Amino acid sequence: EADIYQTPRYLVIGTGKKITLECSQTMGHDKMYWYQQDPGMELHLIHYSYGVNSTEKGDLSSESTVSRIRTEHFPLTLESARPSHTSQYLCASTDGTPDEAFFGQGTRLTVV
Amino acid sequence: GQSLEQPSEVTAVEGAIVQINCTYQTSGFYGLSWYQQHDGGAPTFLSYNGLDGLEETGRFSSFLSRSDSYGYLLLQELQMKDSASYFCAVRDSSYKLIFGSGTRLLVRP
Repeated sequence: EADIYQTPRYLVIGTGKKITLECSQTMGHDKMYWYQQDPGMELHLIHYSYGVNSTEKGDLSSESTVSRIRTEHFPLTLESARPSHTSQYLCASTDGTPDEAFFGQGTRLTVV
Repeated sequence: GQSLEQPSEVTAVEGAIVQINCTYQTSGFYGLSWYQQHDGGAPTFLSYNGLDGLEETGRFSSFLSRSDSYGYLLLQELQMKDSASYFCAVRDSSYKLIFGSGTRLLVRP
């Protein structure tokens, strides 16, 4: 069973609010990822990290930021939420050998 | 940049065999993976091909041809519970893990 956790599972928030989506894993994986996925659609990579103090932007332009101060923790922050941010956000981690990524259960964000 | 192409939808009957193809374009290719995602759930890992050839895991097999930038997932003895979305994914030299657009598999009785 995957030991990667996301909180909150569901969040409804007003426009303009600052929010942080939490992601933690206890597997000691160095690579972590954030994806955005609308229902029934593809996963878009928005941020990734290959170790502590390393963060990179993915292919999908995003107004979010991430940090990686500890191996196990990879939070994603939206400084000012907008209705266009309404989506599901999935966090994943892997040690890269092979590329078996473990996913959290996701955070379903609704911005009203 | 990277791109992966998969058929958007496949329908098959219970007990049949189905193949889901994936073609990719990426820099610094490090392997092709497959994931299954049921509606409302998170993706779960199915298989990985780092080298050319066929990998078999129970009812599921995956194939890779690096020279053709092509792979497929083969599902045998289909069951109703196999109805889900299937994603191929590639990792490049910068540790990016990129997913295809997904193939929705519908298994009918």
